[in-house]
Amino acid sequence: LAKTTQPISMDSYEGQEVNITCSHNNIATNDYITWYQQFPSQGPRFIIQGYKTKVTNEVASLFIPADRKSSTLSLPRVSLSDTAVYYCLVANDYKLSFGAGTTVTVRA
Amino acid sequence: DAGVIQSPRHEVTEMGQEVTLRCKPISGHNSLFWYRQTMMRGLELLIYFNNNVPIDDSGMPEDRFSAKMPNASFSTLKIQPSEPRDSAVYFCASSNIEGEKLFFGSGTQLSVL
Repeated sequence: LAKTTQPISMDSYEGQEVNITCSHNNIATNDYITWYQQFPSQGPRFIIQGYKTKVTNEVASLFIPADRKSSTLSLPRVSLSDTAVYYCLVANDYKLSFGAGTTVTVRA
Repeated sequence: DAGVIQSPRHEVTEMGQEVTLRCKPISGHNSLFWYRQTMMRGLELLIYFNNNVPIDDSGMPEDRFSAKMPNASFSTLKIQPSEPRDSAVYFCASSNIEGEKLFFGSGTQLSVL
């Protein structure tokens, strides 16, 4: 399993853009990068997945440099409801390792 | 679709009792996962089923834990006998393609006294 490293916590204010960078230096050729979001008392929820370059959906953007040794999840104009734990995962099969994630706290 | 459905939402039991957690995956999904989440260890994969067959149970902590999937729409995770250290939130998740996104249930908060 490719090991990932991401910040333990980040603080932000409403309306700001939040960027969470995840390091995965030993990512394998066939690994995908996936981000999940978890609110208190709920199960994790899929946000976005990518292999290389940039992926964007209605919730977030995922930037992956050419060497794929890191990735950055970008949350545009966050609101209080975006306060959650964000997990970066790298895998090509069912063996997902969630790690500790990044606790993002959005303040008014 | 109602999503992945787990029951009960909360379970409080005494040490030594049998506990059964239930999961209904999303219709059409052929992969089912059981995870356990604690503050100390985070989210741990306990067991993975594909097409109702257990593929990987290496995460099951010990023989007190067992899981079954008798059909495509139902799975159980049983702990017998339960111990206080089993207290955690247990999540069930399903997906329709291995490696693709997982859909998690709301979890079962288990407290063993």
